[in-house]
Amino acid sequence: SQELEQSPQSLIVQEGKNLTINCTSSKTLYGLYWYKQKYGEGLIFLMMLQKGGEEKSHEKITAKLDEKKQQSSLHITASQPSHAGIYLCGAATPGSGNTGKLIFGQGTTLQVKP
Amino acid sequence: GAVVSQHPSRVICKSGTSVKIECRSLDFQATTMFWYRQFPKQSLMLMATSNEGSKATYEQGVEKDKFLINHASLTLSTLTVTSAHPEDSSFYICSAVPPQGIYRGYTFGSGTRLTVV
Repeated sequence: SQELEQSPQSLIVQEGKNLTINCTSSKTLYGLYWYKQKYGEGLIFLMMLQKGGEEKSHEKITAKLDEKKQQSSLHITASQPSHAGIYLCGAATPGSGNTGKLIFGQGTTLQVKP
Repeated sequence: GAVVSQHPSRVICKSGTSVKIECRSLDFQATTMFWYRQFPKQSLMLMATSNEGSKATYEQGVEKDKFLINHASLTLSTLTVTSAHPEDSSFYICSAVPPQGIYRGYTFGSGTRLTVV
């Protein structure tokens, strides 16, 4: 079965600093998802990467997928307290009818100090 | 679009009783929904895949008789925690595949915090 390894597990940064979160898969990724969560709440979809070498950005968050489609990174530029939360990478396993289950890495808890 | 509603958001029940959690797709039909469990400071663990009109597919180690899943319509999946015990206390969250398919992102409910006393 596919496993996702996320690092670091937790991160504390000063406001304004940049940071990177990594996600490594034990198998080739068909689709890699990044979500943000406040613990005890639902998940907020950030980005989805599918093609090797793909890179997407939304506001100050950039996600990349390597050419081999086994590693992804999430980079936050000039972090703000609003970026604090749990970041989760997820991998989709294609199933029938354009569906498939989504499994998650361990998550990275981010704290941003003002 | 593609909104998933989960109810209740919080529930406290006595040990030995059963609790039902509902997951509804509000503006689309979801033939497939997923149920996750999350412990404090941990990630989401997939429990089962709920399939409309057929039996759910459970992940390894998840007790089928403990966590009953019913997906009787294209917009509703329910998770019933039977004979709940304190160790079942957790955050349960559902998700659904939006009409555009998995490559447009899965949609998640807001979760249910279950406390068994």
